[in-house]
Amino acid sequence: DAGVIQSPRHEVTEMGQEVTLRCKPISGHDYLFWYRQTMMRGLELLIYFNNNVPIDDSGMPEDRFSAKMPNASFSTLKIQPSEPRDSAVYFCASSPTQETQYFGPGTRLLVL
Amino acid sequence: SQQGEEDPQALSIQEGENATMNCSYKTSINNLQWYRQNSGRGLVHLILIRSNEREKHSGRLRVTLDTSKKSSSLLITASRAADTASYFCATGAGTALIFGKGTTLSVSS
Repeated sequence: DAGVIQSPRHEVTEMGQEVTLRCKPISGHDYLFWYRQTMMRGLELLIYFNNNVPIDDSGMPEDRFSAKMPNASFSTLKIQPSEPRDSAVYFCASSPTQETQYFGPGTRLLVL
Repeated sequence: SQQGEEDPQALSIQEGENATMNCSYKTSINNLQWYRQNSGRGLVHLILIRSNEREKHSGRLRVTLDTSKKSSSLLITASRAADTASYFCATGAGTALIFGKGTTLSVSS
């Protein structure tokens, strides 16, 4: 298996623009997690899905953030409009259970 | 909210030495996991220890768990330059994992 795939790997955008991050989980994994990592706040869970259904989105910072999982092999995290404080590395992870998680390489987002 | 707190925040050792990192947490858990993150990469799962286990080994890794003290330690024996990375503990309690801020380990040759 190719592992968790994220795209793009790097994104530079201007404040106010819409940003869409994409994730393909490992086939057969029922859980998908979105995290944000910054030096100041560490690794924060934003939202997670079980069988394509959002279970806990309490970590989503504000209404500008939204996440979808239209099918078992694809998820998106959207930021609209983006702000400089959204600059971070965004990770997607998948898991067959709620235990061991398999992380993607991350998307490094810079909002100018 | 941060559950696990790693200690120390940074650790520098020479190749061949052992490295010990500690993790403390606040609430009851089902399991505790350790992950490694190399610079610019995603996290990689190292080892999982369940709440009813006290010690677990995997290669050069040894993890202990003391639920009465709500703490865990990760020992890396005979360290190598390739062990240079950040190490995170993550606690599981039936919901999503909660990660600490990590220990940055630097191993020099």
